[in-house]
Amino acid sequence: NAGVTQTPKFQVLKTGQSMTLQCAQDMNHNSMYWYRQDPGMGLRLIYYSASEGTTDKGEVPNGYNVSRLNKREFSLRLESAAPSQTSVYFCASSELYLGNEQFFGPGTRLTVL
Amino acid sequence: EDQVTQSPEALRLQEGESSSLNCSYTVSGLRGLFWYRQDPGKGPEFLFTLYSAGEEKEKERLKATLTKKESFLHITAPKPEDSATYLCAVQAGANAGGTSYGKLTFGQGTILTVHP
Repeated sequence: NAGVTQTPKFQVLKTGQSMTLQCAQDMNHNSMYWYRQDPGMGLRLIYYSASEGTTDKGEVPNGYNVSRLNKREFSLRLESAAPSQTSVYFCASSELYLGNEQFFGPGTRLTVL
Repeated sequence: EDQVTQSPEALRLQEGESSSLNCSYTVSGLRGLFWYRQDPGKGPEFLFTLYSAGEEKEKERLKATLTKKESFLHITAPKPEDSATYLCAVQAGANAGGTSYGKLTFGQGTILTVHP
């Protein structure tokens, strides 16, 4: 039981390049989330998927898109990376959207030059 | 707007020196308050969920309590392996309405260092 897995662990991009961050969970959870964590800012929600087939914007969605590929997988895409997107990205999942603890992956450290 | 403030920002303790971390919050209809532990370079690890004022939960040397305005994480006789950043988050409930419903709002965390 691996929990929440994320790939890649590290990535360096040039401004304007695109990339997709992958996330998968093996806990049969219904809800999945993408956060970014920046020094002094705490964890901020980018997008979430309350259940398979639905996605919604979080607090900081600009510059990102998501796809809930199936119940297990939830990807985050940066279409045209900007230096302001340098951050650590965490994927999380929970059994249900409300009231349940979220379980986090190990994170992807992204640097945009 | 939901807000979570954690204090202190950093706390240094000697092994065995008990203390408490504070999480003050404002939220539209609290659905749950969550405590996480985060080690450097890793994702947050779930510790506790508290749902209503007066509730308490314990795990090893940690005890979390909840009032209507704040939560405390009490650490009894800490060990060096308890060193980590401790994060608090609140989830807005149904009466939050609109875009806040169900969202987790995180505090900035308290960095705990326990010296041997």
